[in-house]
Amino acid sequence: EPEVTQTPSHQVTQMGQEVILRCVPISNHLYFYWYRQILGQKVEFLVSFYNNEISEKSEIFDDQFSVERPDGSNFTLKIRSTKLEDSAMYFCASSPGREYEQYFGPGTRLTVT
Amino acid sequence: DAKTTQPTSMDCAEGRAANLPCNHSTISGNEYVYWYRQIHSQGPQYIIHGLKNNETNEMASLIITEDRKSSTLILPHATLRDTAVYYCIVRGSLYGGGSNYKLTFGKGTLLTVNP
Repeated sequence: EPEVTQTPSHQVTQMGQEVILRCVPISNHLYFYWYRQILGQKVEFLVSFYNNEISEKSEIFDDQFSVERPDGSNFTLKIRSTKLEDSAMYFCASSPGREYEQYFGPGTRLTVT
Repeated sequence: DAKTTQPTSMDCAEGRAANLPCNHSTISGNEYVYWYRQIHSQGPQYIIHGLKNNETNEMASLIITEDRKSSTLILPHATLRDTAVYYCIVRGSLYGGGSNYKLTFGKGTLLTVNP
């Protein structure tokens, strides 16, 4: 069964450094998403991406964040200058269409020290 | 998107049916009810969704009341591996004018299946 994959599973970085989280969505899906979950808190929507552009973003998704689909398979989330409060699980998701269910990857645990 | 209310936690005996309720009294006509679950810190897993008719798949059944103000997710024969946080999410429709890109997660119900 196809699934969303994410790398790395755990990333440790120092405050102020740039990080890139990588995702490989399910191959025939057209919509891509990033969510995050701070330890002990709710899963929060960050951004959705379709046709090589952002279709919706949350207030969390400020200028420090960017997303890209650099090739036909990868979908990345970049955080330019990490802060301590960026420490969280980051989940990538994909769906075949806008109104279809979203399938989530296993997540990347980002720890900012 | 309409707000949902779920119990904080529930227990269920292994092998028995688990019935997880959700209230969504402000749901509008074009909004769907989705259920996801999250096992420990894994990625949320899609379970089932519906608009107004009852739905069943290999994982669960979804019963939506006629007025659509509440729903129940049924796991017919719960196993220990079904222990997870279950999220009931009301999602906007493309035709309803609201955003339907995102899923808005609440705190969910922690279902503990006991041996």
